[in-house]
Amino acid sequence: LAKTTQPISMDSYEGQEVNITCSHNNIATNDYITWYQQFPSQGPRFIIQGYKTKVTNEVASLFIPADRKSSTLSLPRVSLSDTAVYYCLVGLYSGGGADGLTFGKGTHLIIQP
Amino acid sequence: ETGVTQTPRHLVMGMTNKKSLKCEQHLGHNAMYWYKQSAKKPLELMFVYSLEERVENNSVPSRFSPECPNSSHLFLHLHTLQPEDSALYLCASSQGIGARLSNEKLFFGSGTQLSVL
Repeated sequence: LAKTTQPISMDSYEGQEVNITCSHNNIATNDYITWYQQFPSQGPRFIIQGYKTKVTNEVASLFIPADRKSSTLSLPRVSLSDTAVYYCLVGLYSGGGADGLTFGKGTHLIIQP
Repeated sequence: ETGVTQTPRHLVMGMTNKKSLKCEQHLGHNAMYWYKQSAKKPLELMFVYSLEERVENNSVPSRFSPECPNSSHLFLHLHTLQPEDSALYLCASSQGIGARLSNEKLFFGSGTQLSVL
């Protein structure tokens, strides 16, 4: 079962690029990597999902090395509104386990002026 | 707007009350979920429904009773709750093609903030 490890918190400044890394050493062949963002008192919001190499959308980029044992969420030019908790999820759910639906503690990103 | 609507946004209830939380999704998804998020704690998966059948019940106390009458609606019936059940209850939906939920992208509602007195 794929378990994820992320830093508990990170700090950065407006306009900087922020990279949050997630470790998932036991990732399985069919597992995708999914990232969510959550603001206080709101539900998490899907950011990006990938399987290998690099995925980019209008919000973020996701970098996945060849061995897929880790992934890095990259947020370009952050602003104060990017202050949130970011979660990395790995895996699929097939009735025998809910790793792909299990949120850990996430990374609390704080952006300062 | 995520396409998942939860009502009410806030709920205060006594331990002897019976109340229900409602969730509706307008995304044409086949799977729906209930999560609980207590203060300063990770989200806890409570129930999973796929094609209106419950496929996961994460050892949730019987005072929480889910109902999924169709693929667009999900309810959580509450009775004789305890103060420690106070939390943010979040509903989510996903594509959920077939009975197997693979690498789902979850779409969450804004949640119901529940306080049990």
